[in-house]
Amino acid sequence: GESVGLHLPTLSVQEGDNSIINCAYSNSASDYFIWYKQESGKGPQFIIDIRSNMDKRQGQRVTVLLNKTVKHLSLQIAATQPGDSAVYFCAEISGNTPLVFGKGTRLSVIA
Amino acid sequence: DSGVTQTPKHLITATGQRVTLRCSPRSGDLSVYWYQQSLDQGLQFLIHYYNGEERAKGNILERFSAQQFPDLHSELNLSSLELGDSALYFCASSVRTSGGGETQYFGPGTRLLVL
Repeated sequence: GESVGLHLPTLSVQEGDNSIINCAYSNSASDYFIWYKQESGKGPQFIIDIRSNMDKRQGQRVTVLLNKTVKHLSLQIAATQPGDSAVYFCAEISGNTPLVFGKGTRLSVIA
Repeated sequence: DSGVTQTPKHLITATGQRVTLRCSPRSGDLSVYWYQQSLDQGLQFLIHYYNGEERAKGNILERFSAQQFPDLHSELNLSSLELGDSALYFCASSVRTSGGGETQYFGPGTRLLVL
């Protein structure tokens, strides 16, 4: 079946460096993609989304890149801070179907 | 604070029992989604309600049921509980994003432990 997955289960980054979290998807009909951040003991929190007709979108310190050719999505976090430590999920949605989440990547920021 | 509320925060019960989890969506949001998150699985979609009507079903067991009431709050009922039902249960309500899509704001979750 269709699935959304993550290349790396864990990522350790030095404070101040940039982080890149990757995600592969398989449903070429997905309308848009969303990145969520989940801190320990909390629910997932929306970070940024991107429609399938775009290849890049920027937010505050975050950039999402979409490569439809290879069905790859990435989240770049600039100047990573300790508060960025969390599990990051990518999710996709197609039409009226519910979000499909990947398993998540744990980002650990080293001070 | 996402604006989505869930009660209780923690729930400990025994196998075979039945529990009810409650969710109130953000003010003005008509949709409620329920998810299960266990240690070995990512977020698993269970069911979606919109303005009182069921819209979509995911990996929801027959022992589980849900409903959305006229005031838009929702309840997830879990019965004949098994050890494997121990998990975090999240609800979310949806909103349009600046990117033109629709995303979900999640509540703080209910942690269920079945002993």
